[in-house]
Amino acid sequence: EIVLTQSPATLSLSPGERATLSCGASQSVSSSYLAWYQQKPGLAPRLLIYDASTRAPGIPDRFSGSGSGTDFTLTISRLEPEDFAVYYCQQYGSSYSFGQGTKLEIK
Amino acid sequence: QVQLVQSGAEVKKPGASVKVSCKASGYTFITYPIHWVRQAPGQRLEWMGWINAGNGNTKYSQKFQGRVTITRDTSSSTAYMELSSLRSEDTAVYYCARDPGISLWFDPWGQGTLVTVSS
Repeated sequence: EIVLTQSPATLSLSPGERATLSCGASQSVSSSYLAWYQQKPGLAPRLLIYDASTRAPGIPDRFSGSGSGTDFTLTISRLEPEDFAVYYCQQYGSSYSFGQGTKLEIK
Repeated sequence: QVQLVQSGAEVKKPGASVKVSCKASGYTFITYPIHWVRQAPGQRLEWMGWINAGNGNTKYSQKFQGRVTITRDTSSSTAYMELSSLRSEDTAVYYCARDPGISLWFDPWGQGTLVTVSS
């Protein structure tokens, strides 16, 4: 099973700042089969990025994904108030597994 | 629009079974697989299994093999997840989610169903 480790666990930033979230895999994720989700309290996860770098329909272009192999990054270029949430990475190259999440909180 | 609507919260005693439903709308149900994922308090999301809504084939996570059964009813565009021999550690929010192809990402997700296992 591929284990995903996200860092940092918590990220404290202000609106307008840039956020960089990391996701590391215990082994290479084939074909960059990695997705990012946003989850707000009491709601289901929402797809942001798939195939490591493709934005899902309707997702603002301030969200971008990059990486390959075992190291992946989600970047939010300029934080909006609605972006403060928990973010999860998921790999679907070998069965399915999720990271433990990064909580993005307002500083 | 594509939507998955799940059944309501459940409270079960240890040893019992629970069956959660997931009704799809806004697309042709048999075209896309449906996955089940759970989120226990303070834990990461955990994949449980999936069903090919077209032919009914299933695949389960080894962790839940033997305890979970995923089925579907094409006449009502509904998928079901049944988990048996419940224990307190099964207390979680259970989600269904659509797969846009075969073994890809999950989008959209149902709203979630809280299952509480307590004596």
